[in-house]
Amino acid sequence: EAQVTQNPRYLITVTGKKLTVTCSQNMNHEYMSWYRQDPGLGLRQIYYSMNVEVTDKGDVPEGYKVSRKEKRNFPLILESPSPNQTSLYFCASSSPVLSDEQFFGPGTRLTVL
Amino acid sequence: AQKVTQAQTEISVVEKEDVTLDCVYETRDTTYYLFWYKQPPSGELVFLIRRNSFDEQNEISGRYSWNFQKSTSSFNFTITASQVVDSAVYFCALSEAWGGSEKLVFGKGTKLTVNP
Repeated sequence: EAQVTQNPRYLITVTGKKLTVTCSQNMNHEYMSWYRQDPGLGLRQIYYSMNVEVTDKGDVPEGYKVSRKEKRNFPLILESPSPNQTSLYFCASSSPVLSDEQFFGPGTRLTVL
Repeated sequence: AQKVTQAQTEISVVEKEDVTLDCVYETRDTTYYLFWYKQPPSGELVFLIRRNSFDEQNEISGRYSWNFQKSTSSFNFTITASQVVDSAVYFCALSEAWGGSEKLVFGKGTKLTVNP
């Protein structure tokens, strides 16, 4: 089954404790992205990657890091989480060659205390 | 800069009513893509449609239809004979032509509640 998976789905952590949210897709997609969703703000792009080792900032990259060492994986790293990073995070993947539809993961709800 | 405006924050209708969700966009690109996504209460994002800027034909899929008008920079979504299962937050999104869908700019969403 074609899908984007994220782990963990729910996470409560404390300020300053480094964490990684994993994202994996099994569709051989070139493009992958991270978004955060906040009430009243919709979804905003954090980072995106057009292929392995190619990443770029989205609209709200501050406080986040990403890496794309393998085509299927695109982890989101919060080196020193702060309460303002409490949000719902979505990973997405797509391929301009196949269909260009963005497939979204199920979301990760992060709470930073 | 790209921008998507969904002026309707919340809409409430009674089952079987028709409802239109508005989406107005801004872009300097001549080639771009427009999307609609549905987010039901369970939280996942469900792809509904993608339209490129060269295709202004209206689209119908069952009870769903979309009206794309470049002249007014609008891409409105209509649900005919709404049902309770249509209750969700609906997002309109825009992406630049050069990259397709790897960089989406979303509107803030319209929360639709369909009452029995």
